[in-house]
Amino acid sequence: QKEVEQNSGPLSVPEGAIASLNCTYSDRVSQSFFWYRQYSGKSPELIMSIYSNGDKEDGRFTAQLNKASQYVSLLIRDSQPSDSATYLCAVTGGSTLGRLYFGRGTQLTVWP
Amino acid sequence: DVKVTQSSRYLVKRTGEKVFLECVQDMDHENMFWYRQDPGLGLRLIYFSYDVKMKEKGDIPEGYSVSREKKERFSLILESASTNQTSMYLCASSAGELFFGEGSRLTVL
Repeated sequence: QKEVEQNSGPLSVPEGAIASLNCTYSDRVSQSFFWYRQYSGKSPELIMSIYSNGDKEDGRFTAQLNKASQYVSLLIRDSQPSDSATYLCAVTGGSTLGRLYFGRGTQLTVWP
Repeated sequence: DVKVTQSSRYLVKRTGEKVFLECVQDMDHENMFWYRQDPGLGLRLIYFSYDVKMKEKGDIPEGYSVSREKKERFSLILESASTNQTSMYLCASSAGELFFGEGSRLTVL
């Protein structure tokens, strides 16, 4: 069974702060890594993908991947109340076409 | 933009009824998936399909079946709905990145 673990949360940060979301995965052959944002009552929305070690930046979001440590993180700079949502980490398996394995999510609240 | 459309946003059914949840994607993706999502349990994969008429069991296939007669359409079938199948059902399609539909919230009374 492939495991994807996220920091359990909930995480609460003030507006303007950096929110740090963490994820570890068990399958060393995982190659692709994704972060999804899910607002209450809505479906998950892809916000970041990362495929190689290092950092990937997109606006206020930075994804970080360390395959040796089997660790992927998402940093949200200048957090806004609109960032309040559940963030889901997802990784691919080694062999099954297209299937993603999801963590249970971290709930983030950004207070004004 | 990828569009994944689920036929019903909200359904209320009675125990024992047959339930069809339909999903259509417009991006010619090979892979399609059905998940359910419950509080505290996260997303759990029911079935997926990587080609027309092909299907693979996910982690919780019991009580469900699927149909994929056309590439763009993937249907989830509850042969005899039970109260423990009350949940949010999410369809998704993928050609690398996974895109979700808006979800179908099913209540079984």
